[in-house]
Amino acid sequence: AAGVIQSPRHLIKEKRETATLKCYPIPRHDTVYWYQQGPGQDPQFLISFYEKMQSDKGSIPDRFSAQQFSDYHSELNMSSLELGDSALYFCASSYSRGNTEAFFGQGTRLTVV
Amino acid sequence: AQRVTQPEKLLSVFKGAPVELKCNYSYSGSPELFWYVQYSRQRLQLLLRHISRESIKGFTADLNKGETSFHLKKPFAQEEDSAMYYCALSGTGQAGTALIFGKGTTLSVSS
Repeated sequence: AAGVIQSPRHLIKEKRETATLKCYPIPRHDTVYWYQQGPGQDPQFLISFYEKMQSDKGSIPDRFSAQQFSDYHSELNMSSLELGDSALYFCASSYSRGNTEAFFGQGTRLTVV
Repeated sequence: AQRVTQPEKLLSVFKGAPVELKCNYSYSGSPELFWYVQYSRQRLQLLLRHISRESIKGFTADLNKGETSFHLKKPFAQEEDSAMYYCALSGTGQAGTALIFGKGTTLSVSS
């Protein structure tokens, strides 16, 4: 069965550069969540979208923005990258009606040097 | 405030021993509780959710509203259970409501 696809798998960027992370939810899922997991840390919620509208907002820095497109895929845009942004970024998707289980992608490992 | 507390960072047991991973939560309402597992180099996977009341891979968890706990238990640990376990909480009703994770407990099962 199709799972949540994240792209790229790994990304290395320099300080002050920008990065775009992509998330392709499971077909028919209408909700997308973004999480940041630093080394040895628990996943921290960044932001979520339901039906292409921002639904919930967590500890997302102002330097980051995200959106959900008409095909339900989502992109996390990160600007003015800092060393502390180095982390594993997870995307999860769920279907709002019925079973609300969130399925996670493999994550994008971002390294800022 | 919404909060999930996992007091143990690391739990190390021998194969065949019982396991209990503790989870306490704070939430003003009726939350939905989950246990997620993350095996080495793999994605987060749902292990259990309190509303389904299932036993997955021999693990069970009971929601105790009085003690605001959702401890994960297994009577006989196996080496393949070694992983990071996260307790998580979600508010009910609104689509897109975030999962709030605890800090996680590393379970190490050795022979």
